[in-house]
Amino acid sequence: AQSVAQPEDQVNVAEGNPLTVKCTYSVSGNPYLFWYVQYPNRGLQFLLKYITGDNLVKGSYGFEAEFNKSQTSFHLKKPSALVSDSALYFCAVRDSPTDSWGKLQFGAGTQVVVTP
Amino acid sequence: SAVISQKPSRDICQRGTSLTIQCQVDSQVTMMFWYRQQPGQSLTLIATANQGSEATYESGFVIDKFPISRPNLTFSTLTVSNMSPEDSSIYLCSVEGGQDYQETQYFGPGTRLLVL
Repeated sequence: AQSVAQPEDQVNVAEGNPLTVKCTYSVSGNPYLFWYVQYPNRGLQFLLKYITGDNLVKGSYGFEAEFNKSQTSFHLKKPSALVSDSALYFCAVRDSPTDSWGKLQFGAGTQVVVTP
Repeated sequence: SAVISQKPSRDICQRGTSLTIQCQVDSQVTMMFWYRQQPGQSLTLIATANQGSEATYESGFVIDKFPISRPNLTFSTLTVSNMSPEDSSIYLCSVEGGQDYQETQYFGPGTRLLVL
């Protein structure tokens, strides 16, 4: 079984400061890890993913995430947050290989609030 | 980037009625999925829409309540039948596979449903 945890319901950060959104996971095999963002009244937008290779993954809008196998974590980071980054962020995981092809397990989501 | 559209974008319905949501993608995809996002919650997978065969439903979701069609590789529908206020949610389709959507699920903008 696969699962993902986002331990923080909300993260508050001042504009210009570093932003970190935490995610830990549990899978039986090798993980496929994803980050999505949801702006108000919008669908989910794909930010980045880790499948294999370099542990540091760079994605859209200046975001990056680091895969840490020993800590089973995949934290999302941005060096300098913008007010426009205020949104709901979801971490998702999928076992690879899997007998449920394509099925993603989503975390509960973390609301990011960036203040001017 | 992925172009996935959903119709309607939002609707207000009376209890006991049914609503059919359409999902259209701009290129052929292998997998199409339907999710529900209840207010303030994460995403829950309803079913996987299989082209040419019946949908595969997750635990807690049944075909009589959420019939799904997938007549071709670019289109799917989800019907929410005999609606009650508890069905008020955002319904999202996602796609994966095919030439343009490898190893990543991309989401439509969602359909916001309010049942009175």
